[in-house]
Amino acid sequence: DSGVTQTPKHLITATGQRVTLRCSPRSGDLSVYWYQQSLDQGLQFLIQYYNGEERAKGNILERFSAQQFPDLHSELNLSSLELGDSALYFCASSYSSTGGRDEKLFFGSGTQLSVL
Amino acid sequence: QKEVEQDPGPLSVPEGAIVSLNCTYSNSAFQYFMWYRQYSRKGPELLMYTYSSGNKEDGRFTAQVDKSSKYISLFIRDSQPSDSATYLCAMSANDYKLSFGAGTTVTVRA
Repeated sequence: DSGVTQTPKHLITATGQRVTLRCSPRSGDLSVYWYQQSLDQGLQFLIQYYNGEERAKGNILERFSAQQFPDLHSELNLSSLELGDSALYFCASSYSSTGGRDEKLFFGSGTQLSVL
Repeated sequence: QKEVEQDPGPLSVPEGAIVSLNCTYSNSAFQYFMWYRQYSRKGPELLMYTYSSGNKEDGRFTAQVDKSSKYISLFIRDSQPSDSATYLCAMSANDYKLSFGAGTTVTVRA
């Protein structure tokens, strides 16, 4: 168990809808990272928050947004969903803002999103 | 062309064999190189970390980085059925955003 909690584990919705994915980082970690994993694109970095502030942005669509709350949990909001948004969405956490490079990232078990 | 290329396999080997995995990359700014292991329905887990060129060994695992060729490798000696997983290479430059390979699925047959 990595200590990173993601809910829900599975989400099935229709095109055009909006969903919210939730992530609780490991106790004491200040950074949260969101990744999207699909069969054709692999694992793609979406966005990072550090202590409530957006720190880095990757290949995140304008229809997607995220935030990190004062208790450090994070939410990823996906709107106007399309079939191509079906993927596994991972959250990872680290203590520092340079996790992945200077520090190990701990990944949750992911949320499987299916858009029908 | 993707920034990080990794053969998705699948790769099937008998127990006890050496597993050889590799990735190539195009971004010469990459300095930090990692291998993650991902079991089915789980998140990736860091296996090996290497800074710049050279070799690093940890038990049955050896990671190699050749920056001149933009090529990294992971070797698993004496492979076990518990090593069956998807292995993803990952790398970053100073901006610490990780770029992942597509992952290679490995099955070790008992």
